[in-house]
Amino acid sequence: EVQLVESGGGLVQPGGSLRLSCAASGFTFSSYSMNWVRQAPGMGLEWVSYISSSGTTMYYADSVRGRFIISRDNAKNSLYLQMNSLRAEDTAMYYCVRRRFDYWGQGTLVTVSS
Amino acid sequence: DIQMTQSPSSLSASVGDRVTITCRASQGINNYLIWFQQKPGKAPKSLIYAASSLQSGVPSKFSGSGSGTDFTLTISSLQPEDFATYYCQQYNSYPYTFGQGTKLEIK
Repeated sequence: EVQLVESGGGLVQPGGSLRLSCAASGFTFSSYSMNWVRQAPGMGLEWVSYISSSGTTMYYADSVRGRFIISRDNAKNSLYLQMNSLRAEDTAMYYCVRRRFDYWGQGTLVTVSS
Repeated sequence: DIQMTQSPSSLSASVGDRVTITCRASQGINNYLIWFQQKPGKAPKSLIYAASSLQSGVPSKFSGSGSGTDFTLTISSLQPEDFATYYCQQYNSYPYTFGQGTKLEIK
């Protein structure tokens, strides 16, 4: 069974940093590209970032480019999102999502507030 | 960026009804379109990919159609568990973009 389990969310002050993790199981993680998608409270879905299966190609939404860094460790079956210079508008549930958006984690909530 | 516009934003229907939701892309997306269902407090669930292919395990009451820039999701014989918010998403080019969502409510 495919499972994606996010962790690392929490309350952080504006300008702070946070690192999200996603533990993958039930499939050959190293063969799949991965995405992060977020959803602000009561709002729609926003794609955040993509990383290729090898970790050599990354893409970002304009809203996070230069502040967020996506990475992966295929030996640990893990996906990461390093979030720096956080803003109030980054407050959202963050989902780890497999390549074709067929499997999603349960999400981890990030709240940016003073 | 490709803009995805869904209509309607909200929809009231009764159990047993058939409903259609529309998604329009600001440019051609080569049928690289996914439809999702999201229930409150839950992660989205993929229903349809490549505009018209049913995701494994999804009942055939859900169907997708369209090409080019105009796409539709049809849900037949609505049941109580179908009342949720539905999103379309293009995965033709980065940044991937979602429609704003259609909230399907019980009449």
